[in-house]
Amino acid sequence: GAVVSQHPSWVICKSGTSVKIECRSLDFQATTMFWYRQFPKQSLMLMATSNEGSKATYEQGVEKDKFLINHASLTLSTLTVTSAHPEDSSFYICSALPGGSSYNSPLHFGNGTRLTVT
Amino acid sequence: QKEVEQNSGPLSVPEGAIASLNCTYSDRGSQSFFWYRQYSGKSPELIMFIYSNGDKEDGRFTAQLNKASQYVSLLIRDSQPSDSATYLCAVTGRRALTFGSGTRLQVQP
Repeated sequence: GAVVSQHPSWVICKSGTSVKIECRSLDFQATTMFWYRQFPKQSLMLMATSNEGSKATYEQGVEKDKFLINHASLTLSTLTVTSAHPEDSSFYICSALPGGSSYNSPLHFGNGTRLTVT
Repeated sequence: QKEVEQNSGPLSVPEGAIASLNCTYSDRGSQSFFWYRQYSGKSPELIMFIYSNGDKEDGRFTAQLNKASQYVSLLIRDSQPSDSATYLCAVTGRRALTFGSGTRLQVQP
């Protein structure tokens, strides 16, 4: 159980374009999803917490107008990187929390999306 | 002060030895503690979680928690070359899952 699917696995885009990343919970309903970013040789940094049907909560320093998060259903959250620049190149990873679970519950992660902006 | 601190390593151990990975955290309100394993270029994989002081064992892995010292560790017995990876300590409490920077473990055949 608690399988999280992320798509695409990798994407290369040109500077100035937008990229959408999908995160799906396959065998459970996720009221909360988390988006993390990991730069090379660094740890995972929480970008935002997404709750189904409401606006995402962004961490300090993360531009909400650049990283658009939509969590329109209990099984799907999307992250759109708008007007991507080379410094946005990173490994983006999502995770999902089953409905009724607390923040203290174990999190399972999607396989991640490697974004390269040229 | 970082919220979750780990020695970056690399920690090198011979095959069959015990690997000991350590982590300290700053928020006394932290309630849950996790160890993830991450292979290069891959997503983190949950290995262990612990909520209460003491030891928790699962196969070759033992997690140890000392809330008074704000310290959590992971022991890997009979280390195998396939255990070579980066091990991430993570905690939750008042905030969503917060990660340390990870310790790179190398198990020498």
